[in-house]
Amino acid sequence: GNSVTQMEGPVTLSEEAFLTINCTYTATGYPSLFWYVQYPGEGLQLLLKATKADDKGSNKGFEATYRKETTSFHLEKGSVQVSDSAVYFCATDLNFGNEKLTFGTGTRLTIIP
Amino acid sequence: DTAVSQTPKYLVTQMGNDKSIKCEQNLGHDTMYWYKQDSKKFLKIMFSYNNKELIINETVPNRFSPKSPDKAHLNLHINSLELGDSAVYFCASSQSSGGDIQYFGAGTRLSVL
Repeated sequence: GNSVTQMEGPVTLSEEAFLTINCTYTATGYPSLFWYVQYPGEGLQLLLKATKADDKGSNKGFEATYRKETTSFHLEKGSVQVSDSAVYFCATDLNFGNEKLTFGTGTRLTIIP
Repeated sequence: DTAVSQTPKYLVTQMGNDKSIKCEQNLGHDTMYWYKQDSKKFLKIMFSYNNKELIINETVPNRFSPKSPDKAHLNLHINSLELGDSAVYFCASSQSSGGDIQYFGAGTRLSVL
């Protein structure tokens, strides 16, 4: 089945720093790729998604590009804010049949002022 | 109005007890899910229901029994609770089972003493 490997945390950055959280996947077929974010004390919420190769998902200043050649979907943001502190999950779905999300282990991001 | 709501938010109980967690979504979605998030934030799907029918049943002890009285509700009943059941349980829903965006509840933190 599909699997996702994402950068181990925790990651601590200063405000306005550049952020990259790496994510690579293994999958059969053509899965969609997602980044979900979990703010403290809350459930996960979709941050962005990409459904095919070379698609770029973007939201709230975050971006990730679906790279089939490197099987990657790295999350980037040019200038992080304290409010971006959260746990970030990369995920992929199955292709064909019953679709379920397979999540990475999560990366805890802390932004310090 | 909360889109996906779970109750209770916190549940503390003794080993061997039976407990239930309720989930309701008001999004008109057809598919609902239960996930377990362990202490290291690893998130794993347990069950998925589509229009009240079970479509995903991961390797979960049969002490866990989901029940979907209608497509807006998916409850999770756990018998003979064990220490290892301590985790945060998330309910989620999506429009269909075909890889649509999933919307998560805020989670139920279960502590088994």
